[in-house]
Amino acid sequence: DAMVIQNPRYQVTQFGKPVTLSCSQTLNHNVMYWYQQKSSQAPKLLFHYYDKDFNNEADTPDNFQSRRPNTSFCFLDIRSPGLGDAAMYLCATSRGGDWVEAFFGQGTRLTVV
Amino acid sequence: AQRVTQPEKLLSVFKGAPVELKCNYSYSGSPELFWYVQYSRQRLQLLLRHISRESIKGFTADLNKGETSFHLKKPFAQEEDSAMYYCALRQGAQKLVFGQGTRLTINP
Repeated sequence: DAMVIQNPRYQVTQFGKPVTLSCSQTLNHNVMYWYQQKSSQAPKLLFHYYDKDFNNEADTPDNFQSRRPNTSFCFLDIRSPGLGDAAMYLCATSRGGDWVEAFFGQGTRLTVV
Repeated sequence: AQRVTQPEKLLSVFKGAPVELKCNYSYSGSPELFWYVQYSRQRLQLLLRHISRESIKGFTADLNKGETSFHLKKPFAQEEDSAMYYCALRQGAQKLVFGQGTRLTINP
C-alpha cells in the first residue's frame, strides 16, 4: 500500500554524469515536492509542482531540474552532479489547497563518485 | 527569515521517564506547526500538528506564541519512541520548512 514511491532507493553516479531520480504517487495529490537532505541537516526544499505549475526555490542551483509529465510521476534531474550533491533526496506529496499533511517517500540516497 | 530550530541533535532518556523535544520558530504571522517522525528504516511521517490539538502515541505539543516554541512532550517514554523527530513550519500555502531534527533514544 505504498503511497509515495521513490526509485531507486540507492543511486551511485559518476561526477558530472547526468542522473535522474524518480517519484510516483498513488494518492492523486496535486502537489509534489523534492527535498534534499544532507547528513545531519534539515530537509531542504528544492522545488515543487502544484499540478503543472513549477515552483523553484530561489537558492536551488540550476544544476537541478524537475519534470512532472502527469499527476502520478515527478522526476529530479541533476545535470552535472558534483561531490556536494551527494545526499538523500526525498519526494513528498500533498493534496494542495488547505492541506493538512505531506506524505513522503522513503528517499533515494545519491552517491557521487 | 522563517526558521525552525531544534537545539538538541541527540536526546537520550530512560524508559518511563518524561520526554521533551524542543522546537523554536521564527515566523512573521500566524504559524502552522507540525511534528514529523522517522522510525528506523521507515519514511518520514506526520506525528501531529498544532491545529488539531490532538495527542498521538501519547505525545502532545502546545504552541506558545510568546516563547515562539512548539515543544513535543510525552510523560512516559517507551522504547518504540526511539526515532528521529523533526519540527516543521508551514511557509506560505504549500511549503514546509524543517528543523534539523532530534534523534531520540529511549534506553531500557
